[in-house]
Amino acid sequence: QQQVKQSPQSLIVQKGGISIINCAYENTAFDYFPWYQQFPGKGPALLIAIRPDVSEKKEGRFTISFNKSAKQFSLHIMDSQPGDSATYFCAAVYQGGKLIFGQGTELSVKP
Amino acid sequence: GAVVSQHPSRVICKSGTSVKIECRSLDFQATTMFWYRQFPKQSLMLMATSNEGSKATYEQGVEKDKFLINHASLTLSTLTVTSAHPEDSSFYICSAYGWGGSTDTQYFGPGTRLTVL
Repeated sequence: QQQVKQSPQSLIVQKGGISIINCAYENTAFDYFPWYQQFPGKGPALLIAIRPDVSEKKEGRFTISFNKSAKQFSLHIMDSQPGDSATYFCAAVYQGGKLIFGQGTELSVKP
Repeated sequence: GAVVSQHPSRVICKSGTSVKIECRSLDFQATTMFWYRQFPKQSLMLMATSNEGSKATYEQGVEKDKFLINHASLTLSTLTVTSAHPEDSSFYICSAYGWGGSTDTQYFGPGTRLTVL
């Protein structure tokens, strides 16, 4: 019930293409859904986040789509660039700020 | 955004020794700090929640006597891995949130790579 399931595990996209990563959750107590980007050997960095009362949020090339009834949310990276190659984690916040992370998606953007 | 630092960035120690990792919030007061462990190619696993001035709350399966956490001030939390063994080798990451930063968002440190020989 506390899990956040993320797919795909890895993703290869051509430069300029759209990268799409999906997450699903069960616990309706989650109240905030951030996405993190992590480069090898570094800590995660907040990319974009959304509350469950919003269906979509866009920041630059990054968009979160949120489907509350389906308990699913996704990250879309438009015009993907080689510099976007990293591991992406979706997460859900509950119980006073605790984060539950998805399994991660290793994105590779080919030039 | 808020800045969180960790020290050291990497440490190599012999089996049986203890290692202390520091986590500092540089430009905000962190009422709560979290400690995570991350094995290669895996996600972050929450180890414990640390609130300033009180005992840490450990997640199920995490040995509190092995992973000692102290949150003595609003800007500093420490994780001490006691009697470290090779299986404790991992990437340890802290995060923080509190006044001056977003109360919804955890800001992560750069991580500490621990290698136990």
